[in-house]
Amino acid sequence: KQEVTQIPAALSVPEGENLVLNCSFTDSAIYNLQWFRQDPGKGLTSLLLIQSSQREQTSGRLNASLDKSSGRSTLYIAASQPGDSATYLCAVAFYNQGGKLIFGQGTELSVKP
Amino acid sequence: DVKVTQSSRYLVKRTGEKVFLECVQDMDHENMFWYRQDPGLGLRLIYFSYDVKMKEKGDIPEGYSVSREKKERFSLILESASTNQTSMYLCASSVEQGALDQPQHFGDGTRLSIL
Repeated sequence: KQEVTQIPAALSVPEGENLVLNCSFTDSAIYNLQWFRQDPGKGLTSLLLIQSSQREQTSGRLNASLDKSSGRSTLYIAASQPGDSATYLCAVAFYNQGGKLIFGQGTELSVKP
Repeated sequence: DVKVTQSSRYLVKRTGEKVFLECVQDMDHENMFWYRQDPGLGLRLIYFSYDVKMKEKGDIPEGYSVSREKKERFSLILESASTNQTSMYLCASSVEQGALDQPQHFGDGTRLSIL
C-alpha cells in the first residue's frame, strides 16, 4: 500500500527563520508530487507541483525538491513570516493509483512574531 | 484563476436524512473529486469523475453516491446520513487525466454535522 508521511506533525519557529518541511513516500513510481497549504477551516491552496522528471520547483520564498530514488521531498520556506502559519500538506500521484492523490497527514506550522 | 465553489460552508442535518453537497468549477476541468478530512485520518478520497456521467469509487465510497450530469457540477449524496459522516468535505477539480503537470484546485470545504 502506498503511503505518504510528513514529519514533524507540528513545528513552531520564530519569525525570520528558514525552515524545511519533510515528506516521504513509499514508492518511487510517481507522476508528480504536490505541496498544498491549508488555513484553519478552509480548503487547500496549491503551492507547488513537481513532475516526476523534475528535481525542484520554486515560487517566491518557497522551494520544493524531489528525490524519487529515496522517496523524499522537502519544502523550504525562506525568511518565514507569521502569515506563513498554516498546515502544509504533501500529496503524491502514484502510477498504479491512476494519478489519484495520496495525502500525508500534514505539518502544522506556527511562525511566532 | 480557477474557482471551485461549494454550495455551503456549514451544514447541519439529522440522522437518516438524504443530504446533497454541491460543487461547481468554472474552468472547464475534466476531473472532479470529493474528499473528506478528519483529524488523525487526513484527506481520504470518496469518489471522483473523469468526465460527464462518469464516476469511480475512491477509497471510502460506502454510504455515498455521486452525480455528474454537467461538466462543471459534481454532487455528493449521502443516501441516509449517519453520525459517522460528520466531517469536513472538500471538492477539487483538475484539468484532465493526462495533464500531470496541473495541480488539483480545491473549494473552501463544507463542514457537515449529522445530529
